Amino acid sequence: GESVGLHLPTLSVQEGDNSIINCAYSNSASDYFIWYKQESGKGPQFIIDIRSNMDKRQGQRVTVLLNKTVKHLSLQIAATQPGDSAVYFCAENGRSYGGSQGNLIFGKGTKLSVKP
Amino acid sequence: EPEVTQTPSHQVTQMGQEVILRCVPISNHLYFYWYRQILGQKVEFLVSFYNNEISEKSEIFDDQFSVERPDGSNFTLKIRSTKLEDSAMYFCASSLGQGGYNSPLHFGNGTRLTVT
Repeated sequence: GESVGLHLPTLSVQEGDNSIINCAYSNSASDYFIWYKQESGKGPQFIIDIRSNMDKRQGQRVTVLLNKTVKHLSLQIAATQPGDSAVYFCAENGRSYGGSQGNLIFGKGTKLSVKP
Repeated sequence: EPEVTQTPSHQVTQMGQEVILRCVPISNHLYFYWYRQILGQKVEFLVSFYNNEISEKSEIFDDQFSVERPDGSNFTLKIRSTKLEDSAMYFCASSLGQGGYNSPLHFGNGTRLTVT
């Protein structure tokens, strides 16, 4: 069944503002999470990943926060640019459901629109 | 930056016909995957492949589906007798390791399969 979901299907932000995309998961045994960006007509593009023994991980302009207490993770994008407009997916690996690490369970996605 | 390439970008076929979707994974990657995304729905895992054999497959991956690595560079998905409900975007992915932390899946841009 669905285990990874997104709070908001769409998010509209002004260029230069920070964006926060949220994701909830239900399996407390999940040990790995990953964020992908999907632009129109393209495949999912890896952004950043995090293990369950971490609370935070930073990349270039992006930060992922993991709150295991409430089973929630978020993707923060600093100084959002028009090129950030895309659908963002969180996913967890299927190992906690008896599958393999490469069996990613995706959420529905949040569409981020950046207004110039 | 190396990338996963897929051909064709769009395939139209009649119900009952066989189709082969082709992928060239990233050259030093060892794990290969197929996922699909029905329009408006989540990205779903189909199959993972390692060391010339299937390591995991989902319920979707029934006897109509098969995968093959015919040579050192290509990875194919065959649908033996297509059904209308096979219409979807099919994504190939590869990873260096098993798809966990610091070995994320890298996706191609997909093949849009339309079954009429």
